[in-house]
Amino acid sequence: GAVVSQHPSWVICKSGTSVKIECRSLDFQATTMFWYRQFPKQSLMLMATSNEGSKATYEQGVEKDKFLINHASLTLSTLTVTSAHPEDSSFYICSALPAGEDTGELFFGEGSRLTVL
Amino acid sequence: DAKTTQPPSMDCAEGRAANLPCNHSTISGNEYVYWYRQIHSQGPQYIIHGLKNNETNEMASLIITEDRKSSTLILPHATLRDTAVYYCIVRAYYGQNFVFGPGTRLSVLP
Repeated sequence: GAVVSQHPSWVICKSGTSVKIECRSLDFQATTMFWYRQFPKQSLMLMATSNEGSKATYEQGVEKDKFLINHASLTLSTLTVTSAHPEDSSFYICSALPAGEDTGELFFGEGSRLTVL
Repeated sequence: DAKTTQPPSMDCAEGRAANLPCNHSTISGNEYVYWYRQIHSQGPQYIIHGLKNNETNEMASLIITEDRKSSTLILPHATLRDTAVYYCIVRAYYGQNFVFGPGTRLSVLP
């Protein structure tokens, strides 16, 4: 099956710094990628929808200036957590929708665990 | 909000079939039923999906009721590695994101 890779898989940073998480579709092109956040013992919550070459669409309550999303190519989307604080500590997961295919399946990355000290 | 309801947790003995139910009474005619699972600290893994007919693959079987208001995911011979949270999701076929509910935490017991 198609592979979506996230990097880094875990990161620890100091409060106030910015962290960038990459999401790559390794063997297919993705015009649309989704970013989710998951807190402990909770389900995945959609943060934003990222379309290649255009601005991301953010869900209600997600600050677009804090969570910067860039989808500059058909195989790469990045999420930058700016001025991170401890409450931003979470498991961030991306998913990618293959372009031009009709499988309906959404492929997920392995997740990136962010810990802000 | 998720359009599905699932029991919060279930236990299953190793080697036995695990039957995970899902209610989706407001499903639309163009919406598919998808099942994903999430093993601790990993991204969700696709299991199976269907529209009306029952489906089977190497991982599981999906049984959808005739009125499409509910479905059951069947893991025929559960192993300890099947311990995970199982998510039932309904979605129109292409382009939409997946809305995750709380899912069912399946514990396979030795």
